[in-house]
Amino acid sequence: GDSVTQMEGPVTLSEEAFLTINCTYTATGYPSLFWYVQYPGEGLQLLLKATKADDKGSNKGFEATYRKETTSFHLEKGSVQVSDSAVYFCALSGSTNAGKSTFGDGTTLTVKP
Amino acid sequence: SAVISQKPSRDICQRGTSLTIQCQVDSQVTMMFWYRQQPGQSLTLIATANQGSEATYESGFVIDKFPISRPNLTFSTLTVSNMSPEDSSIYLCSGSGLAGHGEQFFGPGTRLTVL
Repeated sequence: GDSVTQMEGPVTLSEEAFLTINCTYTATGYPSLFWYVQYPGEGLQLLLKATKADDKGSNKGFEATYRKETTSFHLEKGSVQVSDSAVYFCALSGSTNAGKSTFGDGTTLTVKP
Repeated sequence: SAVISQKPSRDICQRGTSLTIQCQVDSQVTMMFWYRQQPGQSLTLIATANQGSEATYESGFVIDKFPISRPNLTFSTLTVSNMSPEDSSIYLCSGSGLAGHGEQFFGPGTRLTVL
């Protein structure tokens, strides 16, 4: 079945540091890939997405590129802010799982001033 | 994007009682889902809520414990029945189908504590 593996956390960075959170996946067919963010006490929000190979999703300074050859979708940001502190989930939605999504375990990011 | 609301936002319940959580979407969605999230952990899918018919449950979840209704395209309820402390968790509702690529839009969650 489909699966998503995320870089283990927690991750602690200083403000303005470079962020990478690794995500790899296993899926049949050609899934769509997503990053969601969850701020404390809130539900998940869609951060960015990519629907086919070599697509780059971007939002709020975050980027991730759909790499079919390495089955990866790593999240990056060039300069993190304290307000980026949250839990980040990588996820996929495939064509064979009845519209459901498969989520990674989440990576907690803490950015210190 | 869709705006999804849930109520209650939190509750503290006694063992053996039941709680019904409501989920309202501000526009029509194709699919609605219910998840459970233990503190500091990932999401576990409970079931897919089907309009006008029985929900589709994931392995480990049964209708008697988690009855779900979806009378129309924008509303669903999840009941946590005969609660025990192990049911203490955050319950999340989501909808998808607006843009066709499988992205989901989540409610703010219901934080349940069972004493």
